[in-house]
Amino acid sequence: GENVEQHPSTLSVQEGDSAVIKCTYSDSASNYFPWYKQELGKGPQLIIDIRSNVGEKKDQRIAVTLNKTAKHFSLHITETQPEDSAVYFCAASNEGSQGNLIFGKGTKLSVKP
Amino acid sequence: DAGVTQSPTHLIKTRGQQVTLRCSPKSGHDTVSWYQQALGQGPQFIFQYYEEEERQRGNFPDRFSGHQFPNYSSELNVNALLLGDSALYLCASSFGLGQPQHFGDGTRLSIL
Repeated sequence: GENVEQHPSTLSVQEGDSAVIKCTYSDSASNYFPWYKQELGKGPQLIIDIRSNVGEKKDQRIAVTLNKTAKHFSLHITETQPEDSAVYFCAASNEGSQGNLIFGKGTKLSVKP
Repeated sequence: DAGVTQSPTHLIKTRGQQVTLRCSPKSGHDTVSWYQQALGQGPQFIFQYYEEEERQRGNFPDRFSGHQFPNYSSELNVNALLLGDSALYLCASSFGLGQPQHFGDGTRLSIL
């Protein structure tokens, strides 16, 4: 079955710097890759997603890139702000198999003012 | 526009008991998935309901069962609770199978 590895497990940056979180997946049939942000005491919030027919997608300060050949995808956050501090999860699924999500173990991002 | 709502928010049970957790999907969504999130881990898929049928199931024992009602809301039932069942249980809804999933804030289940 699918396995998703996520790195780093913790990341600390200064406000205004960029942050990058990387994930690799094992199943070449996976074709949908969402990213979730989870704040303390809350459920995961979908922040951006990408499908395998696209190499990059941007939404304001966040972007996701996908390399299908290498089976890895990354989340980029620019101009980080203290409110970006949270745990970020990547996930992968095969939409043809009805979209059950396989998650990475998460990255705790801390943005220092 | 109400998002995914789950109840209760917290629950304490003892080993061997049974528990029922409830989920109302986001307005307009008809598909509900359940996930278990242990402390410090990513969510793990339990099962998915669409058109009142279980469509897909993860690697969880038969003690975990569910139901979807005609109004698309869903229940997760866990029998014969074990200490290892202590976790945050998350419900996610989507508009159809294989579509982006939106999560509720979960039910924190503690087993004593």
